[in-house]
Amino acid sequence: GEDVEQSLFLSVREGDSSVINCTYTDSSSTYLYWYKQEPGAGLQLLTYIFSNMDMKQDQRLTVLLNKKDKHLSLRIADTQTGDSAIYFCAESLLNQAGTALIFGKGTTLSVSS
Amino acid sequence: GAVVSQHPSWVICKSGTSVKIECRSLDFQATTMFWYRQFPKKSLMLMATSNEGSKATYEQGVEKDKFLINHASLTLSTLTVTSAHPEDSSFYICSARDHETQYFGPGTRLLVL
Repeated sequence: GEDVEQSLFLSVREGDSSVINCTYTDSSSTYLYWYKQEPGAGLQLLTYIFSNMDMKQDQRLTVLLNKKDKHLSLRIADTQTGDSAIYFCAESLLNQAGTALIFGKGTTLSVSS
Repeated sequence: GAVVSQHPSWVICKSGTSVKIECRSLDFQATTMFWYRQFPKKSLMLMATSNEGSKATYEQGVEKDKFLINHASLTLSTLTVTSAHPEDSSFYICSARDHETQYFGPGTRLLVL
């Protein structure tokens, strides 16, 4: 079945780079996503990458996709305390009702000053 | 970006009562909306996919008679938790799809006493 795996915790110092890794199983996923969830809040779309791309950069965020290894990563440059949150990667999955998202369990990023 | 709202954000109810949660896409029309449930320190679990004008498609293990979903218009979907029990207490998040991207509501925290 489909499964998305992430490490559960990452701790960095302010100003350092953060790299959050994710592996997924469905090679037919068209898009892969990164969402951010702050405490008690819903999910905020950070960025996404189309499956035929290797890299996408958006300001401080860099997404790398290794389709062969089904590995996705999110790099946050110059990490700030406001980046502390849970980060979810998700793959798109075509089911009988359309396209749904399958999420990993989330990586809790803790940024210390 | 696209905005999705949910109402209410918090609800406390007695066991045995029914609770309705609304999900609205504010600045776009969504033919497909999704309902997720999030347990503490767990990923989001897809409950059902709702296409406007048709019956919702429920994921395995989700009781359709307990979690009633209505998607009457292109901007509104509702989830009704019928005869709620304490084990239904959770964080419910909806999302609406705009082209290839899902945008999430802020979530509704349900506490059943």
